[in-house]
Amino acid sequence: TQLLEQSPQFLSIQEGENLTVYCNSSSVFSSLQWYRQEPGEGPVLLVTVVTGGEVKKLKRLTFQFGDARKDSSLHITAAQPGDTGLYLCAGRDNFNKFYFGSGTKLNVKP
Amino acid sequence: KAGVTQTPRYLIKTRGQQVTLSCSPISGHRSVSWYQQTPGQGLQFLFEYFSETQRNKGNFPGRFSGRQFSNSRSEMNVSTLELGDSALYLCASSLWAYDLNTEAFFGQGTRLTVV
Repeated sequence: TQLLEQSPQFLSIQEGENLTVYCNSSSVFSSLQWYRQEPGEGPVLLVTVVTGGEVKKLKRLTFQFGDARKDSSLHITAAQPGDTGLYLCAGRDNFNKFYFGSGTKLNVKP
Repeated sequence: KAGVTQTPRYLIKTRGQQVTLSCSPISGHRSVSWYQQTPGQGLQFLFEYFSETQRNKGNFPGRFSGRQFSNSRSEMNVSTLELGDSALYLCASSLWAYDLNTEAFFGQGTRLTVV
């Protein structure tokens, strides 16, 4: 059982569409990070959120940390083929242990 | 600056053998973490080292071990390999171990296949 559950697991959309990926847990995290991983590469950090209710924007990507710091979402506006990849959320708990979510595989078709 | 370097990139081993993987962190980074990534289990935390000391350990059997040297380079060792150990092993380096905002930079990984 994953401590961090991501949904959906797979997402295939057309270029220009919007999408939201969710990361949920029953545990509280002191911080949460989102990564994107491309085939054959290691994950690359997109953002870190540390405050409950925090919203961060990175160009077309909007990240939100839940008020209770148990969940997060990643919203992509007007998706592009370059957004294709595996999106991973990762949380650090109060014991400083790091957990990764199950991942969402996104495919954006031109 | 140079990124995180993992060697080797690919490795094929036989069941029962042991293997050592190497990770050179970004210059100046003192924290190194190791992860196992498989299609079924996703990314799972193995252990984290900071200043040559293991600070955190995931839920893996004792066959998995690691160490960090004074120059921050790290190695992980897997003994008595099993088929289920086949995975992408990723190393991540960061400046500090306990800063919530610290960014972890990942290497490209070592793809281990056990036959």
